[in-house]
Amino acid sequence: ETGVTQSPTHLIKTRGQQVTLRCSSQSGHNTVSWYQQALGQGPQFIFQYYREEENGRGNFPPRFSGLQFPNYSSELNVNALELDDSALYLCASSPGGYGNQPQHFGDGTRLSIL
Amino acid sequence: KQEVTQIPAALSVPEGENLVLNCSFTDSAIYNLQWFRQDPGKGLTSLLLIQSSQREQTSGRLNASLDKSSGRSTLYIAASQPGDSATYLCAVTTLGGAGGTSYGKLTFGQGTILTVHP
Repeated sequence: ETGVTQSPTHLIKTRGQQVTLRCSSQSGHNTVSWYQQALGQGPQFIFQYYREEENGRGNFPPRFSGLQFPNYSSELNVNALELDDSALYLCASSPGGYGNQPQHFGDGTRLSIL
Repeated sequence: KQEVTQIPAALSVPEGENLVLNCSFTDSAIYNLQWFRQDPGKGLTSLLLIQSSQREQTSGRLNASLDKSSGRSTLYIAASQPGDSATYLCAVTTLGGAGGTSYGKLTFGQGTILTVHP
């Protein structure tokens, strides 16, 4: 059984640029959630996709957007990058969008903004 | 708004000690509570998941308890080893959404940094 995989592992961008992060969900999982983890903090919920639709969003501005594809893989897009966007971005997948199933996490993408 | 707090923020113990990590949450309307381990620069590894109807879960040297009414959970690690050194995160799943949609999201504490020295 293949787990959650994220790419790339590390990324360096400058302020104002745009970035796309990718996530392949675990086999059989149709729900993908994205989290942002700043250094020394716990992860913060960005949004969740269930069957290709965004079905929940945390307190993040619209320049954070996403997609989910028919194979349930997902992308996180961030426009107009700011220094505070530097963080570890984590993707988690689970079977079903209701929330009582455990979420399985990938190793994350480390994004650094210069 | 759900808030999760973990105490202590950091803990350093000698090998072999039994230890307890604490987690508290403000809203008792949770679906489940998970304890995760995170190694430096890595993702999260789920250690234990306790459904809201359960009181505890055990896996090897780890035991987690849940008191939903008081908003508390503890993670007990027996006979600690240097390999247990990591950040331990507590997270609760709550239901969000309105207007006919619903979703589960995790709210995390800031973690406890554990160091077990030989």
